[in-house]
Parts: sequence; C-alpha cells; structure tokens
Amino acid sequence: GAVVSQHPSWVICKSGTSVKIECRSLDFQATTMFWYRQFPKQSLMLMATSNEGSKATYEQGVEKDKFLINHASLTLSTLTVTSAHPEDSSFYICSARKGGYTFGSGTRLTVV
Amino acid sequence: GENVEQHPSTLSVQEGDSAVIKCTYSDSASNYFPWYKQELGKRPQLIIDIRSNVGEKKDQRIAVTLNKTAKHFSLHITETQPEDSAVYFCAASGSQGGSEKLVFGKGTKLTVNP
Repeated sequence: GAVVSQHPSWVICKSGTSVKIECRSLDFQATTMFWYRQFPKQSLMLMATSNEGSKATYEQGVEKDKFLINHASLTLSTLTVTSAHPEDSSFYICSARKGGYTFGSGTRLTVV
Repeated sequence: GENVEQHPSTLSVQEGDSAVIKCTYSDSASNYFPWYKQELGKRPQLIIDIRSNVGEKKDQRIAVTLNKTAKHFSLHITETQPEDSAVYFCAASGSQGGSEKLVFGKGTKLTVNP
C-alpha cells in the first residue's frame, strides 16, 4: 500500500529557531502533499497544499513566510517553521492522495 | 471552500449499544467522504469511506450512509466495544478534476462504557 514517511516524529527547539519537517512518499509519486496542524483536542486543520514544481497554496490565515513549503521532487515535500514561537507548538502531519489519503506519522513540535 | 460540521462533539454509550455520528458538508462538488479514528499523538486511521455514487456502505459493525441531496453523511457503529473508544473524524474532499483538499470535521470523542 501507499506509504508516507514523516520525520522527525518529535522535535524540541528554542524560540526563534527554524525547524524542518520532511515527508516522503515511499512507493508512489505524490504531485501534491497536504500539510495539517493539529492542536490538542482539536481537529486537523489544513495549512497548505504543496505542489511539485510550483508554489504551495496556503489556506486563509496561514502565514506563508512563516511556514515555508517546498515540494522539489515527486517524492519529497518539506515544511519549515521559521522563527518558531511557543504558540507554534503543535502536531504537524502531512498527507498525500493515492486512491484514498495516506498520512505521515506526524511530528510533535515543542518550542521552548 | 468546503466546510464540514460534525455532531456530537462527545458521545458516551454503554457497551453493546449503537453509536451514530453525523456530519454535513457544504460543497456539492465533494464526492469522497472518509471516516477516521485517531488515537492520541497518532495519525488518523481510515475506518470506512464512501463515494458519492453510493448511498450506503457497510463493513462488519461499521456502516456509513450518505445523502447527497441533503449533503450529510453518518457513521454507525453497532455492538460497540470498549476498544471503540477514540476520537472519530469525518472528512470530505473533491475529485481529481476538482479540489482534492481533504477537510475534516471537528471530531467526536466516543466513550464506550463497559
């Protein structure tokens, strides 16, 4: 079946630093990758859609300069949280569509 | 864009009873409706899905119904067991030709009491 590998699974960083999260489609080509953020006891909120070879599409209210998305190949999409602050602490998860939707395992980001 | 409403936000049932979770969607172009079960800190796990060309789908104790006219779909779990306790999310998305974005409902915390 379709597998999306997401790394790291958890990361702790200091305020003001940047963190990169990677999602790789292991056995299929993903021209599109969806990035979600999930705060405790809340739903998955779509942040942006990354498109291979073109600019990402951001949802309303998501700062594109803060959440940098790169989809440089058909198997790799990255999300970089720049100048992270404690309020960016959350569970970030990616997803790609192959038939249904396949999710990465998620990244727990804690900004201290 | 698509908006998915989910009710109830919490649901408590006795073991063996049935549980029903309902969702409505706003975009008539949506044609794929999955249901997910999510455990804390884990990825969503697909439990059942339905496409807009059918009205009902069943898999053992789990069933989903879809009313395209009313734009609502429901998850039915029969003979509930304690291990069914989790947070359940409904979602909706469009086809390859339209928006593929998967939009989630706010979730339902189901508790099955032994």
